[in-house]
Amino acid sequence: LQLQESGPGLVKPSQTLSLTCTISGDSISSGSYFWSWIRQPAGKGLEWVGHIYRSGSTNYDPSLRSRVSISFDTSKNQFSLKLISVTAADTATYYCARGLPFFGFDSWGQGALVTVSS
Amino acid sequence: DVQMTQSPSSLSASVGDRVTITCRASQAIRTDLGWYQQKPGEAPQRLIYDASALQSGVPSRFSGSGSGTEFTLTISSLQPEDFATYYCLQHNSYSWTFGQGTKVEIK
Repeated sequence: LQLQESGPGLVKPSQTLSLTCTISGDSISSGSYFWSWIRQPAGKGLEWVGHIYRSGSTNYDPSLRSRVSISFDTSKNQFSLKLISVTAADTATYYCARGLPFFGFDSWGQGALVTVSS
Repeated sequence: DVQMTQSPSSLSASVGDRVTITCRASQAIRTDLGWYQQKPGEAPQRLIYDASALQSGVPSRFSGSGSGTEFTLTISSLQPEDFATYYCLQHNSYSWTFGQGTKVEIK
């Protein structure tokens, strides 16, 4: 399994951050996986952002819930993150990952740095 | 929402030392906890799942224990390649939560 994040590395304040994770070696609609986003500001800890299940149901970190959405495109075997109204505090490396109930994350992408700046 | 409190935030140790890191959950999470190692510039890698199950390929000097609200990661004999940051992750609730991380540094 390989996961690869892609998207703009620079986003202006108040705009929308959009990232896509492309999955190779598995189908987004198979299994019982949670397709997830995690972020990490430089020099700081990991923060779970949210995930989407194959049914389309989603869960988000409560602190981001009003600004975040995760969706998937089965035809492209991708899932995406959108974060609206970004500020400098959203500057981070964003990872996509595959999670499994009771087992956590077993595969991660390499990460994509997104900087929020004018 | 389940909060995770991880301690210590950092520690200094020597090669061969026994190291213990603790995570405490704000409510009982059975054994729905894993431990991850992250080296600079890299994505995290899972070491332990289900609180005590060793990920395939991970050296046996790593072990995990606990259930409910108290969990421990132990490195029995620290090796040079173990200097890294370690995180716990709870996946019991609909919202998953990481601990704050423990940076293991060379003494």
